[in-house]
This record gives sequence, structure tokens and C-alpha cells, in this order.
Amino acid sequence: SQQGEEDPQALSIQEGENATMNCSYKTSINNLQWYRQNSGRGLVHLILIRSNEREKHSGRLRVTLDTSKKSSSLLITASRAADTASYFCVHDRGSTLGRLYFGRGTQLTVWP
Amino acid sequence: DADVTQTPRNRITKTGKRIMLECSQTKGHDRMYWYRQDPGLGLRLIYYSFDVKDINKGEISDGYSVSRQAQAKFSLSLESAIPNQTALYFCATSESGSAEAFFGQGTRLTVV
Repeated sequence: SQQGEEDPQALSIQEGENATMNCSYKTSINNLQWYRQNSGRGLVHLILIRSNEREKHSGRLRVTLDTSKKSSSLLITASRAADTASYFCVHDRGSTLGRLYFGRGTQLTVWP
Repeated sequence: DADVTQTPRNRITKTGKRIMLECSQTKGHDRMYWYRQDPGLGLRLIYYSFDVKDINKGEISDGYSVSRQAQAKFSLSLESAIPNQTALYFCATSESGSAEAFFGQGTRLTVV
């Protein structure tokens, strides 16, 4: 079974618009990460936020974390066609730091 | 050259055959993982290894085995492949003390 859920499952926007993806999880976590996957290829790490952080920025990415609601959001500003990919919310918990739990992902399509 | 290399990239095999997927890394990381991805789903952990003498089962280890031949090499075996093992398989590595994972490009396995 999946360990988290992203919402929406699919998102379609125009270039220049902002894309917001949300995720929820069920347990206490150590860290929450977002990864990107281009069609059928390997995953690439985008950003990590620790459980004691509430917001983090990296370039056009903004991640928020609300541990009381067990939820996170990823905002991509000024999206580009090259941002088209699947985005996964991933967390780790307990003492096994490297063991990751994945959601189903959000498929983002950015139209030129 | 890729830091995490999986071979083969694609494989078609028959039901009942034994097959091995190989992963090698040049990142110098202690920790290595095998994940499986089914269409429309996130990744699920099959096995992981935190050093050469350490092997641990993940969520879905039944029907699979692994071997950590060296710090840089971690192979996944399907002793007797079955059609529902058709999936995209990913190897990943991480540093001790870090939650960030680095993924290979994946092996697309089809069992007919």
C-alpha cells in the first residue's frame, strides 16, 4: 500500500502559471522530500524539508510542511514546458533514515 | 558517466526463468536499495542494504533475493519470474546519515 497521497493525481497548466501539488501522510516523519520523474526514467531529488521546518525555497520551488496536519505542498512558480513530469512526495520515519516511503505522484503537464 | 548504473535497461524474460538485475555506484555510498514501480504508482521498497554485510527486507520482498557483492554493487534476483513481476525496477543509494537518495535510470522488466 502507498504510504502517502498526492493531490491532484494530474495537473495540466499553461507555461508561466504556477503549479501547486499537495501531499498527505499518515505517521510522524523525520524528513519530507519531493522528487521528480521524467517519463519512465530515474527519479531526481528536488528538495528536502525537515520535520522541524515549515517552509523551504530552492529556485522556483517552494515547499511547505504542516506536521500537525501531516501534509506538505510543492509550489513551482512560472512553470515551463520542461517541468512536465511526475512529482513524488517522499518521507522517512523512525530510526531507518534512508528507508523512503512514496506517494503515488502527481503528473504535471505544462503546455507551451 | 552515471553515478548509479543499472544493467540491463530493458529485459524481456519468460515465466519461470531466473533473472538478475545489477546495480553499481560510484558515489561511495554505504546504503543501497531496490525499488519497484508499477504504472500509476509510487515506488515500493523490495530490499535494502546499509553496508556489505547487511541485508534487510522491504515492503515487497517475496519472490526476490539480493546480494551485496561489494560496497559499490547490489544485485536483485528473481528466482522464478512471474508475470506480475513485470514492472520498472530502480536501484538507489544514499549516504549514511542522509535521507536523500540517488536513483539509477531504471530497468524495465517484462515477464511473459
